[in-house]
Amino acid sequence: EDKVVQSPLSLVVHEGDTVTLNCSYEVTNFRSLLWYKQEKKAPTFLFMLTSSGIEKKSGRLSSILDKKELFSILNITATQTGDSAVYLCAPYSGTYKYIFGTGTRLKVLA
Amino acid sequence: NAGVTQTPKFQVLKTGQSMTLQCAQDMNHNSMYWYRQDPGMGLRLIYYSASEGTTDKGEVPNGYNVSRLNKREFSLRLESAAPSQTSVYFCASGGLATDTQYFGPGTRLTVL
Repeated sequence: EDKVVQSPLSLVVHEGDTVTLNCSYEVTNFRSLLWYKQEKKAPTFLFMLTSSGIEKKSGRLSSILDKKELFSILNITATQTGDSAVYLCAPYSGTYKYIFGTGTRLKVLA
Repeated sequence: NAGVTQTPKFQVLKTGQSMTLQCAQDMNHNSMYWYRQDPGMGLRLIYYSASEGTTDKGEVPNGYNVSRLNKREFSLRLESAAPSQTSVYFCASGGLATDTQYFGPGTRLTVL
């Protein structure tokens, strides 16, 4: 059975800290992995990863995939209060079925 | 360019009532999806439509029906609502050339 585990479940940090969020997966016929940020509304797309070892960056956020060890990490440097959200990862097998994790809830204190 | 839109934003139903959630996208995407999101459960796929004219069951289809009206629109119908269907419902769409999904703003449904 396909599954994804995100850790930690929740995290509280102070502004300026760096955080690392983890996503481990077991998916048949893995094709890609997506990261989303969800505040009090719809998930918004952050990254799509398909290749191992290639870091994707967007401002203070970056992510990398390890297809051998079956995990991905999302890093956020110099955190801001606006980064407070639930971060979701979703491995995808290419058959229209995305397996969403339950997310990591990040709270950044001023 | 509105992306993915959903109506209504909020709805309260009594057990046994029916309703249809509407979803439309203006990104010319082929695939569309309906998810429900419950606390501690993550997003679960109800139904999806790979292309206009096709629909398929996802992980939790019981109690729901869908219609892919045209390329833009994908509706979700609850024929006889139950309290277990209280949830936040998200519609999403995705293109052929990318694995990325884009989500609508969601509908918060409460069934009493």
